[in-house]
Amino acid sequence: AQKITQTQPGMFVQEKEAVTLDCTYDTSDQSYGLFWYKQPSSGEMIFLIYQGSYDEQNATEGRYSLNFQKARKSANLVISASQLGDSAMYFCAMREVLGVRVSGNQFYFGTGTSLTVIP
Amino acid sequence: DGGITQSPKYLFRKEGQNVTLSCEQNLNHDAMYWYRQDPGQGLRLIYYSQIVNDFQKGDIAEGYSVSREKKESFPLTVTSAQKNPTAFYLCASSPPPVATNEKLFFGSGTQLSVL
Repeated sequence: AQKITQTQPGMFVQEKEAVTLDCTYDTSDQSYGLFWYKQPSSGEMIFLIYQGSYDEQNATEGRYSLNFQKARKSANLVISASQLGDSAMYFCAMREVLGVRVSGNQFYFGTGTSLTVIP
Repeated sequence: DGGITQSPKYLFRKEGQNVTLSCEQNLNHDAMYWYRQDPGQGLRLIYYSQIVNDFQKGDIAEGYSVSREKKESFPLTVTSAQKNPTAFYLCASSPPPVATNEKLFFGSGTQLSVL
């Protein structure tokens, strides 16, 4: 089963409008972290926002907020007041912490959503 | 400034040739990773290393090899056994994964193409 599912291959948004990018995840762990990364056409992965499984408040970072619904296992990214520079691929990712044992391959990525901001 | 440096940015491989992608970090991170990204797809883990002189296969290790002789360096060799190597390769590092908020730091990537 997919650990991270992003069901929107492509999205369009008008400049200055808000947009929501969907992400659902699958884990049986109680302790995990959820991340969103932005990948512009240049290729580098830029960290945007983090939400911990025990955090009661939704995370916010400037124009980015994470709509965390634990019971639904969803972690949607909301970008407010879209700008042309927001056009990029966006990836949702999850990190599990396997108790006191560490495992290097516990980051899971979705297939990404391509966001295009229209002037 | 601390960060991860990948080189070269573009690399071309001839049939039957091995090529090596460089990844260097000065973040003092223990863990390092190599990911492959195909167009329109997510990241797939090739290899990862938790500490020096130790590394583990990821989901798609066949046709690739790595070494971790120094904490700062984690080079990836794409061997001739990898029949479809054309892809974007990303190197990443992170602090020890003892907490959920330890994120991955990425390099700027290497685009590998076959001649």
